[in-house]
Amino acid sequence: RKEVEQDPGPFNVPEGATVAFNCTYSNSASQSFFWYRQDCRKEPKLLMSVYSSGNEDGRFTAQLNRASQYISLLIRDSKLSDSATYLCVVNPPGGYNKLIFGAGTRLAVHP
Amino acid sequence: DAGVIQSPRHEVTEMGQEVTLRCKPISGHDYLFWYRQTMMRGLELLIYFNNNVPIDDSGMPEDRFSAKMPNASFSTLKIQPSEPRDSAVYFCASSLEGGDNQPQHFGDGTRLSIL
Repeated sequence: RKEVEQDPGPFNVPEGATVAFNCTYSNSASQSFFWYRQDCRKEPKLLMSVYSSGNEDGRFTAQLNRASQYISLLIRDSKLSDSATYLCVVNPPGGYNKLIFGAGTRLAVHP
Repeated sequence: DAGVIQSPRHEVTEMGQEVTLRCKPISGHDYLFWYRQTMMRGLELLIYFNNNVPIDDSGMPEDRFSAKMPNASFSTLKIQPSEPRDSAVYFCASSLEGGDNQPQHFGDGTRLSIL
């Protein structure tokens, strides 16, 4: 079983749609969690951290369910500029800032 | 603020040649990471350093790969001899000390093609 698993997509949605990505992780003792965004032929960039209580940043909402070892990202009112690959990222225990990246979920927002 | 700086941006070379990739982390960051990204395997951690000391090199694929960090502002990843299957995008990233929730900041990457 992979340490971090994501649905690869692609998710094709119209502008204005709400889309949700899910991610599961295998190590129940994992410490911290992030969502990164990667545009085509670019480097991964931090989108947001994921906190236990859930957190929101504008149109983006991240949720963590430790019991189910599950992380989600919700994007409301999708924009064309949201088209990218979204990487679920987990910091395993004892990893000292070591991060494990999921394979990514590709999102394509169309007019 | 200067981010993580990698060089070269692109490298095309013939198999058997030595390849050296370079990275300058963000000033003040204590951790430096080297990753490789391919379509088949995604983003893989190769090795990481803390305060210039290698901590975990379990991701380094073979003895042909080596990495050094002679000081806090410079690291190299070397492949010798290179093979076509080494073709990938190699990213360097850095982060601060401080436990949980310290994100990593990536450089632009080096696109490596081994012919």
